[in-house]
Amino acid sequence: DAGVTQSPTHLIKTRGQQVTLRCSPKSGHDTVSWYQQALGQGPQFIFQYYEEEERQRGNFPDRFSGHQFPNYSSELNVNALLLGDSALYLCASSQNPTPGTAAFFGPGTRLTVL
Amino acid sequence: DQQVKQNSPSLSVQEGRISILNCDYTNSMFDYFLWYKKYPAEGPTFLISISSIKDKNEDGRFTVFLNKSAKHLSLHIVPSQPGDSAVYFCAASARGSQGNLIFGKGTKLSVKP
Repeated sequence: DAGVTQSPTHLIKTRGQQVTLRCSPKSGHDTVSWYQQALGQGPQFIFQYYEEEERQRGNFPDRFSGHQFPNYSSELNVNALLLGDSALYLCASSQNPTPGTAAFFGPGTRLTVL
Repeated sequence: DQQVKQNSPSLSVQEGRISILNCDYTNSMFDYFLWYKKYPAEGPTFLISISSIKDKNEDGRFTVFLNKSAKHLSLHIVPSQPGDSAVYFCAASARGSQGNLIFGKGTKLSVKP
């Protein structure tokens, strides 16, 4: 059983460009959450998708958007990249979570913005 | 403003001894707390959790203690093993949320043989 997978592993972009990151959840999971982990920090919640809709959103600007497909996979899009967007982007999946549900994380995509 | 704080960036422990990792929080709406372990180049892996209605939860070598009045929790690892060397994150989930997690900055644990 494959766990959470993310692609690509690494990505280098320049300021102003746009990027799309992809995530496939663990088998049986229907909810995908995205987190940003800057260097030396803990993961920070971006948003969560359930039933193809954004259900919750953290404190991130509209440049960050996402999508969930009928097969529960998800994309994270970031427009107008800034240097400060350089980080590890983690995808986490769970089964219609409630408080206390342990999410399963993928290995992340390392984004570098030059 | 950090709602979940791990004030020790690193901790070094001898193999076989106890590792104690600490976490403080500020938000009274948190009702679940989780610990994750992260190795380099891997995503965080869930270790153990505790509900705010409990003060202790144990799973093998791992025990989490919660002191609600002090808004403090700790993770005890006994005995510590070299394979436990990793970054440990404390995370909290708030009442009414759909499981989105608020993380601390992490504590890097080194267990020396």
